[in-house]
Amino acid sequence: EDQVTQSPEALRLQEGESSSLNCSYTVSGLRGLFWYRQDPGKGPEFLFTLYSAGEEKEKERLKATLTKKESFLHITAPKPEDSATYLCAVTASGGSYIPTFGRGTSLIVHP
Amino acid sequence: GAGVSQSPSNKVTEKGKDVELRCDPISGHTALYWYRQSLGQGLEFLIYFQGNSAPDKSGLPSDRFSAERTGGSVSTLTIQRTQQEDSAVYLCASIYHSGANVLTFGAGSRLTVL
Repeated sequence: EDQVTQSPEALRLQEGESSSLNCSYTVSGLRGLFWYRQDPGKGPEFLFTLYSAGEEKEKERLKATLTKKESFLHITAPKPEDSATYLCAVTASGGSYIPTFGRGTSLIVHP
Repeated sequence: GAGVSQSPSNKVTEKGKDVELRCDPISGHTALYWYRQSLGQGLEFLIYFQGNSAPDKSGLPSDRFSAERTGGSVSTLTIQRTQQEDSAVYLCASIYHSGANVLTFGAGSRLTVL
């Protein structure tokens, strides 16, 4: 059974204080690992897809990296508008395409 | 439409009543997914459709839950005899086809069972 564990559950940062969110996964052959951002009262919004260990993707202050067991979402010099819940999901190769999600990390960035 | 549309956005019902939640996916998206998000929990998979067929119903929590999709477009999730533990946000997502990568989510339907 595919499993995704995200840590920490919650993170409070001061504006400009860089940090990282972790997503550990267990899957029988990784097809893809996804990061989504979810704002209160809204559905998740896609950020990145990573496919193989060593791959990195960047978007503004966010950078996602992938190893064979985990992914990190690095947030550099965050701003209050980066406050949201960040969700990680994986899909397995073979079989049906059903993303398995973690519980998310709730990030609050204080001005 | 431009995005995935869900209705109602909020539904308050009494225990034992039936509810229907609607999802209108992005035009041309052949695959449609339903997830449930309870407070403090991750997204729990319920069911997905490829066209009008549901290859995987394994996530439906009980036989009180059912879903259908007609015309390869709109989907309805029905919960019969609602219970308080059914209270959650029900999220719908669509994708161009099930082999593609990125889900586009609607804003969700928040269900509260009193």
